[in-house]
Amino acid sequence: KQEVTQIPAALSVPEGENLVLNCSFTDSAIYNLQWFRQDPGKGLTSLLLIQSSQREQTSGRLNASLDKSSGRSTLYIAASQPGDSATYLCAGKAAGNKLTFGGGTRVLVKP
Amino acid sequence: EAGVAQSPRYKIIEKRQSVAFWCNPISGHATLYWYQQILGQGPKLLIQFQNNGVVDDSQLPKDRFSAERLKGVDSTLKIQPAKLEDSAVYLCASSSLVSYNEQFFGPGTRLTVL
Repeated sequence: KQEVTQIPAALSVPEGENLVLNCSFTDSAIYNLQWFRQDPGKGLTSLLLIQSSQREQTSGRLNASLDKSSGRSTLYIAASQPGDSATYLCAGKAAGNKLTFGGGTRVLVKP
Repeated sequence: EAGVAQSPRYKIIEKRQSVAFWCNPISGHATLYWYQQILGQGPKLLIQFQNNGVVDDSQLPKDRFSAERLKGVDSTLKIQPAKLEDSAVYLCASSSLVSYNEQFFGPGTRLTVL
């Protein structure tokens, strides 16, 4: 059974600092790993999706890496801004298109 | 392209009452998912439909939860009777068979059971 863990549960950084968010998963037989952003009271917005055959994906200030052998993914957000404050969730996709989510990391970027 | 629609956005009920949530997926998306997200946790899949058939309902508490997608388009999730521990955000998501990998999420329904 896939288990996904995100540590820390909360993170506070000053504006301009780079953010590093960690995600670990127990079953390396994932099809892909997806990172989401969730704002308070809102649904989930997909940020990046890394296929199992890929090592990383980039979009603007966001970069996500995937290491299946160690069961880890990392989301990097460069030059953080107050607007980056949100909860970030990672999810691994297994057979049947089933997503298993981590508990999320709540990020606060202070001006 | 319109996103996934959910209603209501908020619902407050007393325990032992019944409640229903509605989801309209993105047009053309064959697969529809209902997730439960308890405060401070990640979403947990309750049920997955492909068209009007159930693919996975292994984590659905079937003694009180039910869901249907009769015409393979919109879906209803019902809780009867509700318990205090059902307080959560209920998220609906959909995906197409073409872009099989990516799920698109609605804004969710926040349920409070008193």
